[in-house]
Amino acid sequence: DAKTTQPPSMDCAEGRAANLPCNHSTISGNEYVYWYRQIHSQGPQYIIHGLKNNETNEMASLIITEDRKSSTLILPHATLRDTAVYYCIVRVAAGSARQLTFGSGTQLTVLP
Amino acid sequence: GAVVSQHPSWVICKSGTSVKIECRSLDFQATTMFWYRQFPKQSLMLMATSNEGSKATYEQGVEKDKFLINHASLTLSTLTVTSAHPEDSSFYICSAEEGSTGELFFGEGSRLTVL
Repeated sequence: DAKTTQPPSMDCAEGRAANLPCNHSTISGNEYVYWYRQIHSQGPQYIIHGLKNNETNEMASLIITEDRKSSTLILPHATLRDTAVYYCIVRVAAGSARQLTFGSGTQLTVLP
Repeated sequence: GAVVSQHPSWVICKSGTSVKIECRSLDFQATTMFWYRQFPKQSLMLMATSNEGSKATYEQGVEKDKFLINHASLTLSTLTVTSAHPEDSSFYICSAEEGSTGELFFGEGSRLTVL
């Protein structure tokens, strides 16, 4: 699976949008971009994933650049409960029985 | 969404004892489950891939005789830390692949402290 690069930490004011970048310049054509987050002392929580089109769900939006070499996770209105480590992971299509390889992630701190 | 449950959520044991951690997929069948370990302030590290009805596949550097994995049914995988030592103290997390969609769901994690 391709390697991802994320900033180690970011701060965001409560109520503002949090934009978390991820570089995955070696991504292959059949690899998806997944985002998970891990709140302290809990298991990772799925947020969103996409292949090449932008995606949106009730939690977040995922913007993938046209060349697919980078993406941005957007939390439109960050709350204190969004403070967590956010992991950007590149993985071949679901169903391949391939594990997720976690990088260092971005520690997002939402400030009151 | 699908639910994966781990038990116990935390356990404290004496050095030399064995500890079993269960991972259950509550509302779906999982032919494949994964076990991760996470030390403080570090990311998740894959330990092994557990396949229902067959032997687990261990990552390099993970002792298969120390970390026994059993995946006897489509909804249950167990990780047994044998003869635990303080250096085995960690946060153990499982994930299960939902068969129809292939999506991965994670358990809540089990914190092991070996005294």
